[in-house]
Amino acid sequence: GAGVSQSPSNKVTEKGKDVELRCDPISGHTALYWYRQSLGQGLEFLIYFQGNSAPDKSGLPSDRFSAERTGGSVSTLTIQRTQQEDSAVYLCASSLGYGGPSTDTQYFGPGTRLTVL
Amino acid sequence: QKEVEQNSGPLSVPEGAIASLNCTYSDRGSQSFFWYRQYSGKSPELIMSIYSNGDKEDGRFTAQLNKASQYVSLLIRDSQPSDSATYLCAPKGSNNNDMRFGAGTRLTVKP
Repeated sequence: GAGVSQSPSNKVTEKGKDVELRCDPISGHTALYWYRQSLGQGLEFLIYFQGNSAPDKSGLPSDRFSAERTGGSVSTLTIQRTQQEDSAVYLCASSLGYGGPSTDTQYFGPGTRLTVL
Repeated sequence: QKEVEQNSGPLSVPEGAIASLNCTYSDRGSQSFFWYRQYSGKSPELIMSIYSNGDKEDGRFTAQLNKASQYVSLLIRDSQPSDSATYLCAPKGSNNNDMRFGAGTRLTVKP
């Protein structure tokens, strides 16, 4: 079946502009994660959605960052008033998320490379 | 203290050798542990998962877990140049369903 998809694959924007990044998780996956990865760095957790529960926003670096997940499926990560330090690859992942050991595996999308000039 | 600690490397081993990748974690309640491989410019992909203390083998890969020591490792036997990548350790947190990733260990297997 189809994997996690993300769009756009690349986004170049000017400092101060808003951007929206989209993630389509695997069908039936209740858990969805957003990560940020700067060049040569590890994965930085941003936000986590699980079903209809309130999202875990503990990783969002500032109030310029927000995310929503509509209908328990597609998610959009919005960055307002982008700064140069926001330049990174933004990765989305999904999992079945039922809490059991076999359902925790995260499947990653190809990422969106964001460049803020 | 970081939630998940890994030696950033680079770890360099000759082809055919055993590569040993280590990870320690701070959340004592973690129950599930995952190893992901990430090739340069690509997204992470799952290599192995482990939930019980001891060893779990899958082909050339062996994951080892010691919950008392809060330590998990990944051994790669008969290392191949195609194993050259960054390996990410990810324990599942005890309080909810999220996972925290280590910064990763960069492995280079030299022909």
